[in-house]
Amino acid sequence: SQQGEEDPQALSIQEGENATMNCSYKTSINNLQWYRQNSGRGLVHLILIRSNEREKHSGRLRVTLDTSKKSSSLLITASRAADTASYFCATGSQTGANNLFFGTGTRLTVIP
Amino acid sequence: GAVVSQHPSWVICKSGTSVKIECRSLDFQATTMFWYRQFPKQSLMLMATSNEGSKATYEQGVEKDKFLINHASLTLSTLTVTSAHPEDSSFYICSARDRVVVRFGDGTRLSIL
Repeated sequence: SQQGEEDPQALSIQEGENATMNCSYKTSINNLQWYRQNSGRGLVHLILIRSNEREKHSGRLRVTLDTSKKSSSLLITASRAADTASYFCATGSQTGANNLFFGTGTRLTVIP
Repeated sequence: GAVVSQHPSWVICKSGTSVKIECRSLDFQATTMFWYRQFPKQSLMLMATSNEGSKATYEQGVEKDKFLINHASLTLSTLTVTSAHPEDSSFYICSARDRVVVRFGDGTRLSIL
């Protein structure tokens, strides 16, 4: 299966702290994307990193990608209560298929 | 900007009823849309890939006669859960590819009594 795994499964931090989530995957990829899901809602695209990129920033988000280790990390700096959500990584296959394969997700709770 | 609209957001119906869920791409065309199912506190599981003008591609273990998919235009795909039973209760989410980024609808919570 191409499905990835996030680590940790759950993370609870105080507001203002940084949150780091990791994602591992199994096959060669074209890109890796991070999504956020608030409870009972759809997914919101956060950031995409291509397989030839190593790091990318967007606001308080920093994503790294290590294709040799087949892993990625998402760092949220200066967390806010509104960041409380589940975070998923999703990989796009090199085979050209259009669909994404999702990891198991990290449930982040930011305590105000 | 590019948005995927999913409707309805919540359905409660009796066992045996067929339920149709719509997924529309707004401001962009999508030749391919994807249907996912999500159980509480779990990840998204791809059910099928909807292809405009042709048959959908179903993932292993997904009954195509149970989950009917129609993708009649470049902006609309529908998922019909036929003769729904309580075990079909779940959160269904559609998505569409907008160039590289895949955008998601807000999901449909289906509850079968």
